[in-house]
Amino acid sequence: GAVVSQHPSRVICKSGTSVKIECRSLDFQATTMFWYRQFPKQSLMLMATSNEGSKATYEQGVEKDKFLINHASLTLSTLTVTSAHPEDSSFYICSAIGSGGPTETQYFGPGTRLLVL
Amino acid sequence: AQSVAQPEDQVNVAEGNPLTVKCTYSVSGNPYLFWYVQYPNRGLQFLLKYITGDNLVKGSYGFEAEFNKSQTSFHLKKPSALVSDSALYFCAVRVLTGGGNKLTFGTGTQLKVEL
Repeated sequence: GAVVSQHPSRVICKSGTSVKIECRSLDFQATTMFWYRQFPKQSLMLMATSNEGSKATYEQGVEKDKFLINHASLTLSTLTVTSAHPEDSSFYICSAIGSGGPTETQYFGPGTRLLVL
Repeated sequence: AQSVAQPEDQVNVAEGNPLTVKCTYSVSGNPYLFWYVQYPNRGLQFLLKYITGDNLVKGSYGFEAEFNKSQTSFHLKKPSALVSDSALYFCAVRVLTGGGNKLTFGTGTQLKVEL
C-alpha cells in the first residue's frame, strides 16, 4: 500500500512552546490530508481535514488557532500545536488520500507521540 | 449520520483457532467499509475494504471480511489466528454524501491471541 510518513515520531517539549509535526505522502499525491488525535485505548478523533492549497476544515470543538494546519503541497501537511500545554499531550496521527474519491483507501502515518511538560 | 459499532472491547483467541471481530454500521446511503489494524504506538495499517461486488473481501495477512447488507455487518475473520495478530482493530465506514471523504471509526477491538 501507499506510504505516509510522520516526523518526529515523538517529541517532548516545555509548556508554552510550539511544536510542528510533518506528514508526508511518499509515493502518491494526497489531495486531502487528515489529522487525528488518539487518547490511550480510545478511537481516533478527527481534528481537521485539509486540502492542498486551501484552508483546513476543523471539527467542532477543535481550536483552529491552537492547532495550525498547513497543506502546502500535494505531499506535505504540517500540524503546529501552538503554546502547548500538558493537556495537549497525546498521540497525533495524520492520514492521506489521493484523488480517487470516496472508494479510495485512506493511508495513515505512524503517529507522533507528544508529551508536554 | 453514519456510525460504526464494535460491540466487543476485547476478543481472546487461542493460536490456530479461527477469529472473528465484529462490526456493524448504520448509514443512510451505500457504505464503503474498511478495516484497519493498529500495533502499539503505531499508526493504522489498512487491511481490507468493501466497495461493491463480492460480499467476501480478502485482505492482508490472511484476513477477510464479509459484507452483510441485511444485518448491516462487516465482521473481520481469519481462519487460523497467530500470536502476531494481537493488536487493536478498527472498523470504519465512509458514505458518499455531503460528508465528503471522512471516515467514521468504531471504538476499536483489542484482539489477544494466546498460545
